[in-house]
Amino acid sequence: DARVTQTPRHKVTEMGQEVTMRCQPILGHNTVFWYRQTMMQGLELLAYFRNRAPLDDSGMPKDRFSAEMPDATLATLKIQPSEPRDSAVYFCASGFNRDTTSTDTQYFGPGTRLTVL
Amino acid sequence: AQKITQTQPGMFVQEKEAVTLDCTYDTSDPSYGLFWYKQPSSGEMIFLIYQGSYDQQNATEGRYSLNFQKARKSANLVISASQLGDSAMYFCAMRVVFGAGGTSYGKLTFGQGTILTVHP
Repeated sequence: DARVTQTPRHKVTEMGQEVTMRCQPILGHNTVFWYRQTMMQGLELLAYFRNRAPLDDSGMPKDRFSAEMPDATLATLKIQPSEPRDSAVYFCASGFNRDTTSTDTQYFGPGTRLTVL
Repeated sequence: AQKITQTQPGMFVQEKEAVTLDCTYDTSDPSYGLFWYKQPSSGEMIFLIYQGSYDQQNATEGRYSLNFQKARKSANLVISASQLGDSAMYFCAMRVVFGAGGTSYGKLTFGQGTILTVHP
């Protein structure tokens, strides 16, 4: 049963610290998404990768957030320095996109619950 | 701009009854996709069902069906024979294509969600 995996599942850190979240997409998928979920804003898209290339990171605060895909099996989302307003659940999702007619069904990981004190 | 609206913050249903969760959308793009996801209290997002804008038939997946009314721009989720395990938050999402050519991609916009509670 193929699944998206995310680590860590929970992270508590202090303001100013660096946070790195990792995601392993489903094998064979070529798209990776990072979302942030909060009570106030709901689900927000932070970044999108296809074939490891970033196509959209307009939802991400550029000064402190960065997203990369060092290889096809690993995506990372980094916050440096972290702030209390970054507290949220961060989801990674993967899918397969062949062309613009693809359904682009996204399969979500379990999320990383981040608390910044 | 694309928009997804779920007008029911919370819904209650008796076990074994059917329930409909509402979703309306707004887009000027003729090609789009509609998704429903379930988020139980454990937090994960579970894909339930997909409907393409050009699909002639309403999508069904087991106890889930999507009542797609294109002219009314609605994509309601129907859960038949509700079970206690169906208690969760349900999100409707719409995919539209952004960009052009090789950099185009499908971007999901999510509604605010509906909390479904199934009573025994």
